[in-house]
Amino acid sequence: EPEVTQTPSHQVTQMGQEVILRCVPISNHLYFYWYRQILGQKVEFLVSFYNNEISEKSEIFDDQFSVERPDGSNFTLKIRSTKLEDSAMYFCASSVRSVRQGSNQPQHFGDGTRLSIL
Amino acid sequence: QKEVEQDPGPLSVPEGAIVSLNCTYSNSAFQYFMWYRQYSRKGPELLMYTYSSGNKEDGRFTAQVDKSSKYISLFIRDSQPSDSATYLCAVNYNTDKLIFGTGTRLQVFP
Repeated sequence: EPEVTQTPSHQVTQMGQEVILRCVPISNHLYFYWYRQILGQKVEFLVSFYNNEISEKSEIFDDQFSVERPDGSNFTLKIRSTKLEDSAMYFCASSVRSVRQGSNQPQHFGDGTRLSIL
Repeated sequence: QKEVEQDPGPLSVPEGAIVSLNCTYSNSAFQYFMWYRQYSRKGPELLMYTYSSGNKEDGRFTAQVDKSSKYISLFIRDSQPSDSATYLCAVNYNTDKLIFGTGTRLQVFP
């Protein structure tokens, strides 16, 4: 069964450093998402991406964050200057369609990247 | 009031039991309802996906949505130790954002 893959599984970074988290969405999916889960807390939406631009973002997704689809298969999340509070699991997800198209399809998640900021 | 509320558990049941997991939500506009299963150090895995009210069955799993009560349920029949995981409910309506509950940790003991 097709799946979303994320690399690395664990990233350790010094505070203030830039980090890039990578995702390969399911191949026929057109919508891409990033979520995060701080230890012991809910999974929270960060951003959605379609047709090479941000479709929707949360208030968590501030200027320190950016997303990119650098080629036909990868989808990345960059954090420019990491803070201690960025430590969390980051999940990438993808879907065939979005509710915005009037026909929602469920989002499928990868296994996440555990980001530890020292 | 929180958008989605879910009892965090843990819920501990013997193998073979029927498990009932529940969420309540506050916004009557929500139309799409999902249940995800999350094993330790893994991502959410889609179990059930329903639109509007009603029941949906898939093997040992049944999802139920009662929009009048703003209540969603997941039933697991003949529970197995391999069902031990955290179960997350999620909702959305006209945005890309899924809104998750806190998750209920389920333990099925042999």
